[in-house]
Amino acid sequence: AQSVTQPDIHITVSEGASLELRCNYSYGATPYLFWYVQSPGQGLQLLLKYFSGDTLVQGIKGFEAEFKRSQSSFNLRKPSVHWSDAAEYFCAVGTGTASKLTFGTGTRLQVTL
Amino acid sequence: NAGVTQTPKFQVLKTGQSMTLQCAQDMNHEYMSWYRQDPGMGLRLIHYSVGAGITDQGEVPNGYNVSRSTTEDFPLRLLSAAPSQTSVYFCASSYSTNFGTYEQYFGPGTRLTVT
Repeated sequence: AQSVTQPDIHITVSEGASLELRCNYSYGATPYLFWYVQSPGQGLQLLLKYFSGDTLVQGIKGFEAEFKRSQSSFNLRKPSVHWSDAAEYFCAVGTGTASKLTFGTGTRLQVTL
Repeated sequence: NAGVTQTPKFQVLKTGQSMTLQCAQDMNHEYMSWYRQDPGMGLRLIHYSVGAGITDQGEVPNGYNVSRSTTEDFPLRLLSAAPSQTSVYFCASSYSTNFGTYEQYFGPGTRLTVT
């Protein structure tokens, strides 16, 4: 069965600093990988997704993620964080069935001004 | 397009009561899913459906029932509520392209408290 590990429960960065959120996955076949963001009291919004091809994926809000098969990782990055990026971020892995995602436990991002 | 809608937004139940969480989507998506979100545990899949009339269990199905009589609706039933079912419930719908890619769209969630 697939699994996702987000080793950082909570990260604090200063506004304008760079950000990297870690995600490691375990899956026997080629993974489908996703990053979602959740603001307090809200639903989940898709930031970006990887299915195949170019291992560097661009998403919304200036986020990008890089798929590294050798490290089983799909880390999320942003070069300059804005205060509005404060939220919880979830990495997820999907199988071939579009209705099933396995999520990590999330990383809560705090942004200091 | 309303996207994925969920009702109610909030609900308090007593132990042993039953209720149905409603989920509807207007995007003609074939796939629908229910997740629960608990602090420190991320989202866990309860049940999912790959089309009208077809449902299957996810990771944490016990105590929940689903059916999918139409493409649009995917209600989640709590048969006899327990405090362990206190959680935030998210419904999602998705489609699959000819290339095998897909994306899940999430509803706003239902916050359920069982006392």
